[in-house]
Amino acid sequence: NAGVTQTPKFQVLKTGQSMTLQCAQDMNHNSMYWYRQDPGMGLRLIYYSASEGTTDKGEVPNGYNVSRLNKREFSLRLESAAPSQTSVYFCASVRGVSYNEQFFGPGTRLTVL
Amino acid sequence: DAKTTQPPSMDCAEGRAANLPCNHSTISGNEYVYWYRQIHSQGPQYIIHGLKNNETNEMASLIITEDRKSSTLILPHATLRDTAVYYCIVRVAGDYKLSFGAGTTVTVRA
Repeated sequence: NAGVTQTPKFQVLKTGQSMTLQCAQDMNHNSMYWYRQDPGMGLRLIYYSASEGTTDKGEVPNGYNVSRLNKREFSLRLESAAPSQTSVYFCASVRGVSYNEQFFGPGTRLTVL
Repeated sequence: DAKTTQPPSMDCAEGRAANLPCNHSTISGNEYVYWYRQIHSQGPQYIIHGLKNNETNEMASLIITEDRKSSTLILPHATLRDTAVYYCIVRVAGDYKLSFGAGTTVTVRA
């Protein structure tokens, strides 16, 4: 199993450009998450999907949209990137709310100029 | 307000036990204590969790005080590969979300 995969690994955008970060998991997990991590800080939750067909806002959702494409895939879209969105983005998944271990992907390092 | 308080950094000698403290004085009865770690530039990794009893797995031990206001993660024989940021997180059972603070940067020295 590949676990949680994320693409791309690195991305540089100009202010105002749009892009979609892709996340996929092959563990048949029900719940998926998007976090961002700024330098020297812990992770902050952007959006999550408790199950296929549902999405909910986390702590810092402004400037982002998400799509739970199917059970495997959960994408994060920046419609108009801003320098404040420069960060490392992590996707995670967990089997369900009664399970304890979130599995994280390797991250996407995004720079917005 | 942060639910947990951890020291910002600590050093540990290779081969010795590393004891990582965490204060969670406002923890509720239905909140669990979780520990994750993040090795440089990688995604966080689950270590262990507990409610009120001490827990042990192949990676670590978790000691929770009787009043549940603090806990200690113990890495029994630290190796250089244990150098990482360790996060202590309090989570309500049934809550989908994890809230990460700044964590403790642990450096294991040879």
